[in-house]
Amino acid sequence: QKEVEQDPGPLSVPEGAIVSLNCTYSNSAFQYFMWYRQYSRKGPELLMYTYSSGNKEDGRFTAQVDKSSKYISLFIRDSQPSDSATYLCAIPQRYSGGGADGLTFGKGTHLIIQP
Amino acid sequence: DVKVTQSSRYLVKRTGEKVFLECVQDMDHENMFWYRQDPGLGLRLIYFSYDVKMKEKGDIPEGYSVSREKKERFSLILESASTNQTSMYLCASSSVQTKPTGELFFGEGSRLTVL
Repeated sequence: QKEVEQDPGPLSVPEGAIVSLNCTYSNSAFQYFMWYRQYSRKGPELLMYTYSSGNKEDGRFTAQVDKSSKYISLFIRDSQPSDSATYLCAIPQRYSGGGADGLTFGKGTHLIIQP
Repeated sequence: DVKVTQSSRYLVKRTGEKVFLECVQDMDHENMFWYRQDPGLGLRLIYFSYDVKMKEKGDIPEGYSVSREKKERFSLILESASTNQTSMYLCASSSVQTKPTGELFFGEGSRLTVL
């Protein structure tokens, strides 16, 4: 089982809709959870992150973690065409044999907001 | 403004050629990473480095090597390119000071096509 699972989509919704993007993870020891956004032909950029369980809100975006079910979600309210992108969930990972903290990514969900 | 620069956005090479992908960051970050991104497979870590001249294998190092002679520069080398190495290559960096989130800063990617 992969450490992070994410439905790749594509997910197409009309402008103004509430969007729900989801990931599941396997290791209950994970503490931090991130969401990256990647526009077409660009590199991913950090959108927001949460620690442990609960919600975190930033404008139209809400990140939610349910540690009991190992489920993380990103909600987008009042979705806009400019939100069209690939959204990747990510979990920090310490690589053995080295001193670096990296990230394990879900496959990413391609989101399309129709005007 | 933080910046990770990948020298080539688009490359076309022939099977068997040696390919160099260069990455430079201006943030004085200790850690640097090379990922490849493929449809349906997501982001996969090839190699990373946590210090000058230090390198560690990621999940898919076969067919690749890396070089880090200076802190700001991390090169990915394909000794003999093959068609299955056609992909988007993404360089990223991070600082040990940003623990525990381990946020990665990505370049815009290098799209490599091997014919």
